[in-house]
Amino acid sequence: ETGVTQSPTHLIKTRGQQVTLRCSSQSGHNTVSWYQQALGQGPQFIFQYYREEENGRGNFPPRFSGLQFPNYSSELNVNALELDDSALYLCASSPPGGFKYFGAGTRLSVL
Amino acid sequence: AQRVTQPEKLLSVFKGAPVELKCNYSYSGSPELFWYVQYSRQRLQLLLRHISRESIKGFTADLNKGETSFHLKKPFAQEEDSAMYYCALAGGSNYKLTFGKGTLLTVNP
Repeated sequence: ETGVTQSPTHLIKTRGQQVTLRCSSQSGHNTVSWYQQALGQGPQFIFQYYREEENGRGNFPPRFSGLQFPNYSSELNVNALELDDSALYLCASSPPGGFKYFGAGTRLSVL
Repeated sequence: AQRVTQPEKLLSVFKGAPVELKCNYSYSGSPELFWYVQYSRQRLQLLLRHISRESIKGFTADLNKGETSFHLKKPFAQEEDSAMYYCALAGGSNYKLTFGKGTLLTVNP
């Protein structure tokens, strides 16, 4: 096990709703990033946080936002859900200079 | 812009045969390349990274900057190698990972 846990494992929402996904990293992993993996695709970078500040963002609209907390947990928030937001959302954490450990993901279905 | 291309969506080989999963990349600087693997019902996990130049589970990958490739190779495939393999590129200092679309490897008995 990598020590990166995500909750919930599955989630069903309707279009227009808001959702919060959570990730708990290993102690000492001060970098956390979030990825969206659509069916049949590789993971796509959403954004990354380092020491509680966003330090990189992919091509995702502002309705995708995040937070990183001092206790190595983090959140991904998505507002105004659209059908195309249905995907597996992956959290990855890494220690300083280290490679990324991935969580098992949250499967989001938007109906 | 960072881009990773895995030209084969599916690859099927027989047990004991050599296997090569192709990966080509596009990046203007000095990239760091990785191979991640996802076994059935398991999370994405790092298989190897080019800077460590190691062999994991019999797999090796060499970064060819001239051909901008990072192909994954194994001389004798095993059934337990059946999985989805993703090539990924990190630009700069552990910045974002850009993944290819993945190659599903099936090793037949």
